[in-house]
This record gives sequence, structure tokens and C-alpha cells, in this order.
Amino acid sequence: AQSVSQHNHHVILSEAASLELGCNYSYGGTVNLFWYVQYPGQHLQLLLKYFSGDPLVKGIKGFEAEFIKSKFSFNLRKPSVQWSDTAEYFCAVVENYGGSQGNLIFGKGTKLSVKP
Amino acid sequence: GAVVSQHPSRVICKSGTSVKIECRSLDFQATTMFWYRQFPKQSLMLMATSNEGSKATYEQGVEKDKFLINHASLTLSTLTVTSAHPEDSSFYICSAERGPNYGYTFGSGTRLTVV
Repeated sequence: AQSVSQHNHHVILSEAASLELGCNYSYGGTVNLFWYVQYPGQHLQLLLKYFSGDPLVKGIKGFEAEFIKSKFSFNLRKPSVQWSDTAEYFCAVVENYGGSQGNLIFGKGTKLSVKP
Repeated sequence: GAVVSQHPSRVICKSGTSVKIECRSLDFQATTMFWYRQFPKQSLMLMATSNEGSKATYEQGVEKDKFLINHASLTLSTLTVTSAHPEDSSFYICSAERGPNYGYTFGSGTRLTVV
């Protein structure tokens, strides 16, 4: 079965520190990739997505992610985190069959705590 | 720990029938659950927030009479697609909040096909 791995369960950073959250998936074919964020008490929001083209994707709030096909990875980065980035972050992958797609598969999430 | 079970994983139904999807938190209590839908080649769309013991909160544009949500206990929320039509064919996924100090867990999703 396809799977998505997020390596860190909980990351604690100080404000202005740089962030990188790892995400690896197991599917060998064409995929679409997503990073979502869920702030405490709120629903999921899309940070960024990759469908095709430039493997370096820029999203909202200063986040970016790089798709490295050879490594089956889609790591999320932010050069300088803020206290307001405290949230849980989910990587998700869906298989792209061209005209259709498979089911969205989520990683287990990484909780980010940013200390002021 | 922190497992959310969603059932069924796949369902095919005839147009005009109703389909119920269950979302269960297996090892924790969830006062709030979220129901999402994914359209082809798009990201998830929040349909509604399910609150235990009270009415669900629906997002704008989501028909509450068509997508019935019941959160009768702290471990179970159900989404019923009533009088399903082919355009309701989609991937539905739920998530549950494990608690303020933990985060959210997703179910494995349900692929609904209406023929």
C-alpha cells in the first residue's frame, strides 16, 4: 500500500529559526503533492501544492517545498518561522493516473511549536 | 495510538440512493470532527465541522439536507449522502482532533462512485 512518512512528530523552534519538515512517499508513479496546515481549533488549510513544472513550489505565508522525484520527497521549508506558525502540518500525496487520480493519502502530521 | 477509522473505503451506489460514511476515533474521544471532499486535481475542500451533541456547521455552498452529518457520540461521526447523483462521486475524508495538546488525525478516506 502507498504511504506517506513525515519524519518528525513534534518540532520545537524559536522564532526566526529556519524550518524544514520532511515528507517521503512510497509511490513510484506520477503524483500530486500537497502540504496542509491546521491551526489549533481550525480546519485544514492548503499551504502549497505541486502538480507539475518547477519542482520548487512557493506557497502562502512564506512557505516553500521542493519536490525531489529521485528521493520521493517533498520537504517543506520556511527560512524564518514566527510564533503564529505554531500548528500541525500534514503532507499528502495522491497518485495521478492522467485522467483520474487515486485516493489522497496523508502523513501522520508534524506538530510545530514556535517559542516567542 | 490516535487512530481514526473511516468506513467504507470504497462504495459504488446507484443514483438516487443514500450512502452513509462512518468516521470513528478508535482510541480517543473527539468532540470535533471535520469532513472534507476532494475534487479531481484539486485540494481538499472542507464541507462541514461536526460537533458532538450539536448540529454540524456547514461551509458555504454545501447543502446540509444533502450531506447529513450526525455526531451522536464522542467517537463517531457519520456523513450521509442522500439521493446521490453522479456529480457526488468524489473522495471524502474525515479528521478528528485528538485534543488541544495533540493535533489531528485523518481517516483513510472513502471513494464514492455514483452510477
